[in-house]
Amino acid sequence: EDQVTQSPEALRLQEGESSSLNCSYTVSGLRGLFWYRQDPGKGPEFLFTLYSAGEEKEKERLKATLTKKESFLHITAPKPEDSATYLCAVQARGGNTPLVFGKGTRLSVIA
Amino acid sequence: KAGVTQTPRYLIKTRGQQVTLSCSPISGHRSVSWYQQTPGQGLQFLFEYFSETQRNKGNFPGRFSGRQFSNSRSEMNVSTLELGDSALYLCASSRTSGRAWETDTQYFGPGTRLTVL
Repeated sequence: EDQVTQSPEALRLQEGESSSLNCSYTVSGLRGLFWYRQDPGKGPEFLFTLYSAGEEKEKERLKATLTKKESFLHITAPKPEDSATYLCAVQARGGNTPLVFGKGTRLSVIA
Repeated sequence: KAGVTQTPRYLIKTRGQQVTLSCSPISGHRSVSWYQQTPGQGLQFLFEYFSETQRNKGNFPGRFSGRQFSNSRSEMNVSTLELGDSALYLCASSRTSGRAWETDTQYFGPGTRLTVL
């Protein structure tokens, strides 16, 4: 069974204090790994898709990396507006498989 | 380009009632997926529709059903509501070529917050 585990569950950072969020996964052949950001009361907002180990993608203060067993979302010099829940999801190969989500990391950035 | 829209945004129902939620995908997107999000379980996959056909189904009871129309709009229905059905119901659409080996990013709507009393 495909599984996604995110850690930590919650993270509190001072503004400017860089850190990383972890997404460990087990999947029967990875088709894609996705990162989303979700603000309270809203739907998830797409950030990145990673397809193969070694791949990296960046967007503003965020950088996502992928290995064969995990993905990291690095946040450089975060600002209070980066506060949100960050969700990781995987999609397995083979047919039209659904996304399997982790439970997310709740990030708070304090000014 | 307009995003995924969901109606209604909020619903309050009582146990035993039924409810219908609606989702309009991004223009040109042919696949619509539904998810249930709760604090304890996170995001859980309900079902996916493509070209008016259910292509995938998660592990939910038969009280949860859905359909897709020819314009790709989708509805989901929950019958005989239970207290545990209280959740945020999210709809996501993707372009999906229909080719199984291609990955399509799913874009989410704002969700419908269902409260069952």
